[in-house]
Amino acid sequence: SYEVTQPPSVSVSPGQTASISCSGDDLGDKYTCWYQHKPGQSPVLVIYQDTKRPSGIPERFSGSNSGNTATLTISGTQTMDEADYYCQAWDSGTVVFGGGTKLTVL
Amino acid sequence: QLQLQESGPGLVKPSETLSLTCNVSGASIINTLFYWGWIRQPPGKGLEWIGTIYYSGNTFYNPSLQSRVTVAVDTSRNQFSLKLTSVTAADTAMYYCARRTDTTTALGGFDHWGQGTLVTVSS
Repeated sequence: SYEVTQPPSVSVSPGQTASISCSGDDLGDKYTCWYQHKPGQSPVLVIYQDTKRPSGIPERFSGSNSGNTATLTISGTQTMDEADYYCQAWDSGTVVFGGGTKLTVL
Repeated sequence: QLQLQESGPGLVKPSETLSLTCNVSGASIINTLFYWGWIRQPPGKGLEWIGTIYYSGNTFYNPSLQSRVTVAVDTSRNQFSLKLTSVTAADTAMYYCARRTDTTTALGGFDHWGQGTLVTVSS
């Protein structure tokens, strides 16, 4: 079965740029999404179709996908962005989540 | 305003069947761009997709759970459901229902989620 891999943790200083990677075989040929998940809350879609932001998501969130790697980039990271982030892809009609990356802003 | 609300028992005994319902309000479950899904998160672990259904009844399941999972839709009640058979402690998790919105050209993401319901498997 298809798998996507994320780093367990990423740290960033406030105001700096955070990049979270998601790797999988020929991932660039598939659409990816990214979700932000804070404790006690439901996940929030922040990027879909590799690069698109849903209404209400700040412009500092952006995405890219090429080759074997998709990347979520948060520019000017704020303390409120501290959360777990999950990438998600499709494979033959099934949904595949990455293991999640804990983003620490300090 | 779209709302999804999970309901069902919070405690299920091992070997029994977990049953949850997701009530959808603020939007019709009958829409060519919407798919309806179940996702869970065991304590301390990541998100795991369980299954997705289209209003017509077409389903997609996680291969690792497929033998135990049934997702169904009731368009007359604007709701969909999850049944997971032969549960074990490993099925203890927060269970979320969610809506996936596609565009006319490509698959979208799960853009609306319920608040989640914690299901514990224990005797």
